[in-house]
Amino acid sequence: GENVEQHPSTLSVQEGDSAVIKCTYSDSASNYFPWYKQELGKGPQLIIDIRSNVGEKKDQRIAVTLNKTAKHFSLHITETQPEDSAVYFCAATNQAGTALIFGKGTTLSVSS
Amino acid sequence: ETGVTQSPTHLIKTRGQQVTLRCSSQSGHNTVSWYQQALGQGPQFIFQYYREEENGRGNFPPRFSGLQFPNYSSELNVNALELDDSALYLCASSFRGQNEQYFGPGTRLTVT
Repeated sequence: GENVEQHPSTLSVQEGDSAVIKCTYSDSASNYFPWYKQELGKGPQLIIDIRSNVGEKKDQRIAVTLNKTAKHFSLHITETQPEDSAVYFCAATNQAGTALIFGKGTTLSVSS
Repeated sequence: ETGVTQSPTHLIKTRGQQVTLRCSSQSGHNTVSWYQQALGQGPQFIFQYYREEENGRGNFPPRFSGLQFPNYSSELNVNALELDDSALYLCASSFRGQNEQYFGPGTRLTVT
């Protein structure tokens, strides 16, 4: 079935360092790849997304890259700050385009 | 612009009981999706509603059912509650034809 794998499960960095989270997806029909940030006790917040016809997208300190051939996509956060500490989820659309299939999440800890 | 709201925030039920969770979509959105998020996991798609009809369903049994109302708000009903139903239930709203899904804060359901 449709599957999204996410690595690493935990990531600890020093303030100012970069963080990279990687995902792979199984369904070649997936065409939309969002990233969500979830803080404790809150719902997931959409922080950036990318569509299959684009290879890279950047928004200030965050960027996402997509390799459709390899079915890989990655989140890059530069100049990390303590407030970036949260659980990050990658997702991909299912074949019907109705549902998001999520990875298991990455807990990012940024220490000052 | 009003975001996605959910009620109640927390709920404790006994095994075998029934529960109804509610969601109001973001203004301008006509599609509602429900997800179940177990502790330490990514959200899992339950179903989606558009024009008051189910428009896609994940791998959940029929005791999970839903409704969408003319104002686009939605309910999730779960019958014959089991211990494994304990989770955070998330509602996400979107506009038909657009991929972006915006999540509410969730309802934490505990089944004892």
